[in-house]
Amino acid sequence: QVQLVESGGGVVQPGRSLRLSCAASGFTFDSSSMHWVRQAPGKGLEWLAFISSDGSTQYYADSVKGRFTISRDNSESTLFLEMKSPKPEDTAVYYCVSEWSFGHWGQGTRVTVSS
Amino acid sequence: QSALTQPASVSGSPGQSITMSCTGTSSDVGTFNYVSWYQQHPGKAPKLMIYDVIKRPSRVSNRFSGSKSGNTASLTISGLQAEDEADYYCSSYTTSSTWVFGGGTKLTVL
Repeated sequence: QVQLVESGGGVVQPGRSLRLSCAASGFTFDSSSMHWVRQAPGKGLEWLAFISSDGSTQYYADSVKGRFTISRDNSESTLFLEMKSPKPEDTAVYYCVSEWSFGHWGQGTRVTVSS
Repeated sequence: QSALTQPASVSGSPGQSITMSCTGTSSDVGTFNYVSWYQQHPGKAPKLMIYDVIKRPSRVSNRFSGSKSGNTASLTISGLQAEDEADYYCSSYTTSSTWVFGGGTKLTVL
């Protein structure tokens, strides 16, 4: 079955970079576009970024454009989210999601931005 | 891009049907048939319930159905069950090549 396992979360100081990873299995990763979605504590879902199956196309939410970078390694079936200069308001659970239609979700990795 | 508008809460009794709405604009819900609905239980990851307005993943009960009229999409749950109590979110693709979520609706099964 489809498995998406996020890692790389934790406590990070404002302005320090952080890279999240998502290991995918159980489906043809290099045929699937992918998303990152986050959920701040007690809040709703926020779409962050999209990457096409071959990695050639990326879209970003205005809230993270220029600060976050989505990428993928199809040879390793892994999705990444590079977070540069995170702010306290980036504190959230970050979900890796497969397919254009958000078909499968990982369990999330928690990121806390605090000094 | 503003969030889609969902009612904060809806409720119903077991066995009843409920419908919740998701209102967007002509830049998202009104233009594309890429509306999805998700169920999220406390402390759990969201789960896709409906995609492309009306399509249902095979693992999802046929008690769940979706529809759309103009800028408003709707999720209907028939034969309400206790385990349906959860938060529900909608999302839509937009003309800016981004996606937007709704603020979520808390469903209470009385």
